[in-house]
Amino acid sequence: AQKITQTQPGMFVQEKEAVTLDCTYDTSDQSYGLFWYKQPSSGEMIFLIYQGSYDEQNATEGRYSLNFQKARKSANLVISASQLGDSAMYFCAMTYPPPGAGSYQLTFGKGTKLSVIP
Amino acid sequence: KAGVTQTPRYLIKTRGQQVTLSCSPISGHRSVSWYQQTPGQGLQFLFEYFSETQRNKGNFPGRFSGRQFSNSRSEMNVSTLELGDSALYLCASSEGTGTTGELFFGEGSRLTVL
Repeated sequence: AQKITQTQPGMFVQEKEAVTLDCTYDTSDQSYGLFWYKQPSSGEMIFLIYQGSYDEQNATEGRYSLNFQKARKSANLVISASQLGDSAMYFCAMTYPPPGAGSYQLTFGKGTKLSVIP
Repeated sequence: KAGVTQTPRYLIKTRGQQVTLSCSPISGHRSVSWYQQTPGQGLQFLFEYFSETQRNKGNFPGRFSGRQFSNSRSEMNVSTLELGDSALYLCASSEGTGTTGELFFGEGSRLTVL
């Protein structure tokens, strides 16, 4: 069974500073995918970034980057230059079956609530 | 390109009733999956449909069901509602093949059971 652990229930960051949100995962599968989503108070889950287990380079999407350390089974999200609009819940998720099958069945962590301070 | 559209956004039902939620995926996407989000259990996978066939199913009772139409739109139904079914129900769409990691969610349908 897969498990995602997000150890930071809440975090504060100063506007324009960088912040790292932690995510560790547990799986015996060799092929898997890792996602990060942002959920504002409105409820919508906004896709941020994706990393395949066989991707050699860390994924980046604008101000978001994923620090993927496969041996340590960690997939931390780094947000650079935080903005007030970044205040939200952030969820790390893992997918199995392998993404190559085209089917995503996500296991989510409990989330981290990020608050950006002006 | 329009995003994932879920209707209704909010609804209130009473115990014992049934409810149907709708999800229209992104144009060209053939996979629709459903998730339940509650404060206690977090986000949990319900099921996934691809080309009108259920491809994956989570650990939920038979009261939760779904279907997908030929235009990829999907509906989920919950029968004999219980108080614990109060939740945000999220729908996600993807192409259904490949390794792009593109999985996009809608804004959700917030169900309150009284």
